[in-house]
Amino acid sequence: AQSVAQPEDQVNVAEGNPLTVKCTYSVSGNPYLFWYVQYPNRGLQFLLKYITGDNLVKGSYGFEAEFNKSQTSFHLKKPSALVSDSALYFCAVRDVTGGYNKLIFGAGTRLAVHP
Amino acid sequence: ETGVTQTPRHLVMGMTNKKSLKCEQHLGHNAMYWYKQSAKKPLELMFVYSLEERVENNSVPSRFSPECPNSSHLFLHLHTLQPEDSALYLCASSQAGQGRTGELFFGEGSRLTVL
Repeated sequence: AQSVAQPEDQVNVAEGNPLTVKCTYSVSGNPYLFWYVQYPNRGLQFLLKYITGDNLVKGSYGFEAEFNKSQTSFHLKKPSALVSDSALYFCAVRDVTGGYNKLIFGAGTRLAVHP
Repeated sequence: ETGVTQTPRHLVMGMTNKKSLKCEQHLGHNAMYWYKQSAKKPLELMFVYSLEERVENNSVPSRFSPECPNSSHLFLHLHTLQPEDSALYLCASSQAGQGRTGELFFGEGSRLTVL
């Protein structure tokens, strides 16, 4: 079965510093990987995806993610964190078992950016 | 205009009430989903409809009854719920089919409190 793991419940970063939110995956076949962000009392917003091609994918709000096949990782990064980036971040993998599309999500990582 | 609209945003109900959550997508997608998000738990996939056919019922208790009358609308009918059913219920949609990458687009969620 497809799965993703987010090893950190919370990540704390000072504003202006680079940030990394970690995700590892376990899939059969080629992975389709996604990052979503959730602000308080809101739904999940799509940030970026990796399907194929360049291992560094760029997304919304200055975020990017690096796909690493040998380490089965898909870490989310941003060169300079903003206080407004504080939110809950979810990694997800596509699963087409049964012939239909669904996303399997990690447990989420809470990012806290301090002024 | 948001692509996926959920109503109501907040709902408080007693254990003997019957209520419904509504979801409408304006993206022309052909698949719709219900996810449950409880405090300190991973996102749980409840139901998937693809081309208006229910293709996944993820061991959800029968007190939750989904309905998908067409590809743009999805309902979750609720009856005789338990306090542990209190959660954020998220609706999502996607465009399924050959060559599609599978990202989901979420609504803002319906916050349900069962007294």
